[in-house]
Amino acid sequence: DTAVSQTPKYLVTQMGNDKSIKCEQNLGHDTMYWYKQDSKKFLKIMFSYNNKELIINETVPNRFSPKSPDKAHLNLHINSLELGDSAVYFCASTYSGKRNEQFFGPGTRLTVL
Amino acid sequence: SQQGEEDPQALSIQEGENATMNCSYKTSINNLQWYRQNSGRGLVHLILIRSNEREKHSGRLRVTLDTSKKSSSLLITASRAADTASYFCATDDNDMRFGAGTRLTVKP
Repeated sequence: DTAVSQTPKYLVTQMGNDKSIKCEQNLGHDTMYWYKQDSKKFLKIMFSYNNKELIINETVPNRFSPKSPDKAHLNLHINSLELGDSAVYFCASTYSGKRNEQFFGPGTRLTVL
Repeated sequence: SQQGEEDPQALSIQEGENATMNCSYKTSINNLQWYRQNSGRGLVHLILIRSNEREKHSGRLRVTLDTSKKSSSLLITASRAADTASYFCATDDNDMRFGAGTRLTVKP
């Protein structure tokens, strides 16, 4: 199936741990995003990569570091997890020629205890 | 940053009724999009309307855009229980910004 996939779907971890969330798309898109959905359901963009290059880096703690090994993958690594990091994280991708039609992954629910 | 803001926050209707959701935004846009999110699932793109369009249809969906009022509405006609979801509008400035969504519940 052509899609944007994220792993894991659920992640429960202790404060202070380091964790990664992976995202892969097989849609041939050249731009990928990470969004954080807060408790009020607002989606806030965190990072965007185009052809493996960082193009958007919103004000997020340095503990969050995206890595894009190739155009089809954008992983999110989080160091020293805090309670406030608990949220659903969505990955999305698009083709820059149609930049505003984004396809979203199913989300990763992160719970920090 | 610019966000679309949906209204109402929650809407509950009977199957077969029409559902109308509204979205307001603050600055000029190139286009506005509506998305649906089913519980536990990712966002699904529904429809895009460009700033020079006033109305657009897609199946049971009808979207209007009033750039003078900086508002858009999404009408779902003849609703079904499967339409139960959260609906988001998103505007583009440089990239997508989403509001908190309207939670639609369609009762069978």
